[in-house]
Amino acid sequence: ETGVTQSPTHLIKTRGQQVTLRCSSQSGHNTVSWYQQALGQGPQFIFQYYREEENGRGNFPPRFSGLQFPNYSSELNVNALELDDSALYLCASSYSWGSYNEQFFGPGTRLTVL
Amino acid sequence: AQKVTQAQTEISVVEKEDVTLDCVYETRDTTYYLFWYKQPPSGELVFLIRRNSFDEQNEISGRYSWNFQKSTSSFNFTITASQVVDSAVYFCALFNSGTYKYIFGTGTRLKVLA
Repeated sequence: ETGVTQSPTHLIKTRGQQVTLRCSSQSGHNTVSWYQQALGQGPQFIFQYYREEENGRGNFPPRFSGLQFPNYSSELNVNALELDDSALYLCASSYSWGSYNEQFFGPGTRLTVL
Repeated sequence: AQKVTQAQTEISVVEKEDVTLDCVYETRDTTYYLFWYKQPPSGELVFLIRRNSFDEQNEISGRYSWNFQKSTSSFNFTITASQVVDSAVYFCALFNSGTYKYIFGTGTRLKVLA
């Protein structure tokens, strides 16, 4: 059974640029959630996708957007990057939309915005 | 308001000591779920336990135990006979079925010294 994978591992961008982060969910999981974790903080929920539809969103502006594909993999897109977007971005998958089920986390993508 | 408070920023103990990590939550929902996750230095969040709001039974799993008390809105985590491998950041999290959001605490860094 393959776990949750994320790419890239690290990324450096400059202010104003756009970035796409990718996540492959664990086999059999149809729900993907994205989190932003700033240094020394807890993860902040960005949004969740179930069967290619967004069905939950945290307090993030519209420049944070996502996609989920038929194979349940997912992308997180961030437009007009700001310095405060520098963080570890975590993807988590679970086997049902409720997500009160156990979430399996990937290793994260560390984004640095200069 | 929904909130998770982990007042202990960092705890250091000597190996074999028992340690309790505190978690206090706020929610207006009657149906919610509480979680504990471990984040070792590698960065990947590891699920430890889930509790729903209707199940106040305490749980023990090996050296880990959890005490859920709705009357005080607390969900504390105790590690018995701590080991160096327990060193990590531990997060408490709340999932509200009504708002469909995950709220994480700021985490407690546990250092177990040999």
